[in-house]
Amino acid sequence: ELKVEQNPLFLSMQEGKNYTIYCNYSTTSDRLYWYRQDPGKSLESLFVLLSNGAVKQEGRLMASLDTKARLSTLHITAAVHDLSATYFCAVAPQGTYKYIFGTGTRLKVLA
Amino acid sequence: SAVISQKPSRDICQRGTSLTIQCQVDSQVTMMFWYRQQPGQSLTLIATANQGSEATYESGFVIDKFPISRPNLTFSTLTVSNMSPEDSSIYLCSVGRTERSYGYTFGSGTRLTVV
Repeated sequence: ELKVEQNPLFLSMQEGKNYTIYCNYSTTSDRLYWYRQDPGKSLESLFVLLSNGAVKQEGRLMASLDTKARLSTLHITAAVHDLSATYFCAVAPQGTYKYIFGTGTRLKVLA
Repeated sequence: SAVISQKPSRDICQRGTSLTIQCQVDSQVTMMFWYRQQPGQSLTLIATANQGSEATYESGFVIDKFPISRPNLTFSTLTVSNMSPEDSSIYLCSVGRTERSYGYTFGSGTRLTVV
C-alpha cells in the first residue's frame, strides 16, 4: 500500500524566510502533484512533476522531484503572508491514474 | 483544465438518511474520483468512478455505503447511505485525463454534517 508522508506537518515561519516542505512516498511513481488548500476552500493545483529531476517554479514556490529517492520538495523563498495555506503532495502509483494524498503541511507565515 | 460544478455545497442531514452529491464537468474527462476529507485531515480516496461500469472502491469503502454512478463522461454522483455522525466530512470529486501532464482538478466540495 502506497504511503505518502509530508514533513513538517505544521510550519510557522516569519515573512522573508526560506523553508522547504518534504514529501516522501513508498512506491514507484511517475507523477506527483502539489496542491494548495486555503481554509474552507477546495484544492488548487500548483505543480505536476513527471520525471526524475523535474523542477518547476511559480513565484516564490519551487518544486522538485527525485524519483530514485522517492522524494519531492516544495521550497518557499522569501515567504509572504499570502502563502499561508495547507500544502499537499499527491502521488500516483506507477501504472495507475488515482492519486494518493500526503498528510499535508499547514503553513502559517507571520508578518 | 476542466470546470467542475459540485452540488450541494453543504448539507445537514439526520442520521440514518442518505445524501446524493452531484459532480458535473464542463468537458468530457476520462478519470473521475471521489475523495473524503475529514476535518483538519488529508484527503482519502473513496473510489474511482468508471463510466458505464461499477466503481472501483478503495480499501475501507464499500458500494453499499457509498454507491457511485457515472452514466457518461461528464457526470457522476456519490451517495452517502445510512449516515452516521462519523460520515460528517467534506466530499470532493476530482477529474482528470490519462495524459500524464494533465492536471487533476477538484470540485468545490460538499460539506456534510450528520446530526
